[in-house]
Amino acid sequence: GQSLEQPSEVTAVEGAIVQINCTYQTSGFYGLSWYQQHDGGAPTFLSYNALDGLEETGRFSSFLSRSDSYGYLLLQELQMKDSASYFCAVRALNTGGFKTIFGAGTRLFVKA
Amino acid sequence: DTGVSQNPRHKITKRGQNVTFRCDPISEHNRLYWYRQTLGQGPEFLTYFQNEAQLEKSRLLSDRFSAERPKGSFSTLEIQRTEQGDSAMYLCASSWEQGGQETQYFGPGTRLLVL
Repeated sequence: GQSLEQPSEVTAVEGAIVQINCTYQTSGFYGLSWYQQHDGGAPTFLSYNALDGLEETGRFSSFLSRSDSYGYLLLQELQMKDSASYFCAVRALNTGGFKTIFGAGTRLFVKA
Repeated sequence: DTGVSQNPRHKITKRGQNVTFRCDPISEHNRLYWYRQTLGQGPEFLTYFQNEAQLEKSRLLSDRFSAERPKGSFSTLEIQRTEQGDSAMYLCASSWEQGGQETQYFGPGTRLLVL
């Protein structure tokens, strides 16, 4: 089967750095994405890793280790508006085509 | 607005009724996904189209659920004989692939309440 694990909640202070980890088990692994979702809103794309290493986009960075089936999202210079749910999502190639499996999400609380 | 749109935004129905939702993807995107999301959970994959072909369907999807994407443009998701457990947010996303990377753009969702 396919499964992802990520912490349910993380709390950090404004200006700090926070890391949200994601471990996965899947066959046909193709890549790992991260999405942000504010309450009442739709998920929005943050980053995608297909190869090992770090991808940086502004204050957000994402890391992947395919051999460890592990990735993380790093948020720097935290702002209050970063309070949201963050989902890791595995893209897997099955016999019929691609499937995207989302984790249960990590709720990030940013405190002043 | 050139983003993904979904209609209706809210639907309240009685158990046993059929409902149909529509998704209009970003025009140049050839892939379209349907997800279901309940409170405190991540989006749960339901099905996926590449152009008009339905390539993957979750085993979680019962026979009461059907999706179509005629002509590879908009898509509809129909739920027959709704049950209270079908109450959820139904999300549609469209995407295209560039340089090996796929970015999914989500619509605002249709919130279904089955009484």
